[in-house]
Amino acid sequence: GAGVSQSPSNKVTEKGKDVELRCDPISGHTALYWYRQSLGQGLEFLIYFQGNSAPDKSGLPSDRFSAERTGGSVSTLTIQRTQQEDSAVYLCASSIQGRTEAFFGQGTRLTVV
Amino acid sequence: SQQGEEDPQALSIQEGENATMNCSYKTSINNLQWYRQNSGRGLVHLILIRSNEREKHSGRLRVTLDTSKKSSSLLITASRAADTASYFCATAWSNDYKLSFGAGTTVTVRA
Repeated sequence: GAGVSQSPSNKVTEKGKDVELRCDPISGHTALYWYRQSLGQGLEFLIYFQGNSAPDKSGLPSDRFSAERTGGSVSTLTIQRTQQEDSAVYLCASSIQGRTEAFFGQGTRLTVV
Repeated sequence: SQQGEEDPQALSIQEGENATMNCSYKTSINNLQWYRQNSGRGLVHLILIRSNEREKHSGRLRVTLDTSKKSSSLLITASRAADTASYFCATAWSNDYKLSFGAGTTVTVRA
């Protein structure tokens, strides 16, 4: 694919359920980011993967949030026991090592009801 | 916490006018970037300026960087309705480090 792909585009879930959000970065991009954006707000950093280095998880808001990146490619963001305040657009981006211009996916809009 | 802060939060201009928005940041940076976001979805990279550069142009965009004041500005000249979007600045401490985004400036271009 030509760009960063995220799935699903939209997700409605009941409070207390677990959700998994997927990100397929651009092939060859070693860096992968997850951000969260609430309605009308800026981007809140969640987690950053860079090659084989330990991920920077400093932005994860609680232990209900976790992310992994398998084989240095696809990443999954998991939110356990979802709460209404988790409702937001979750954005994934990737970049080439040594260049920080990030390419974004279209995001997953998560609604917790 | 967000590294960059944009000013103003919102801007409304007439088509053909110039739009200027500013970004301030707190720590030393390797580079600063500007992104555009339409309809609350994916962001598109517009321009990158490195810490040793003072000004950069790309089409109708002009970016300046003042590292002594820890600030940057984005100028869009001869605005068009299609420029209506939110604009974000993002900073990076190094080439291989995470990007930190500001809260954004929402620009509305009236026809």
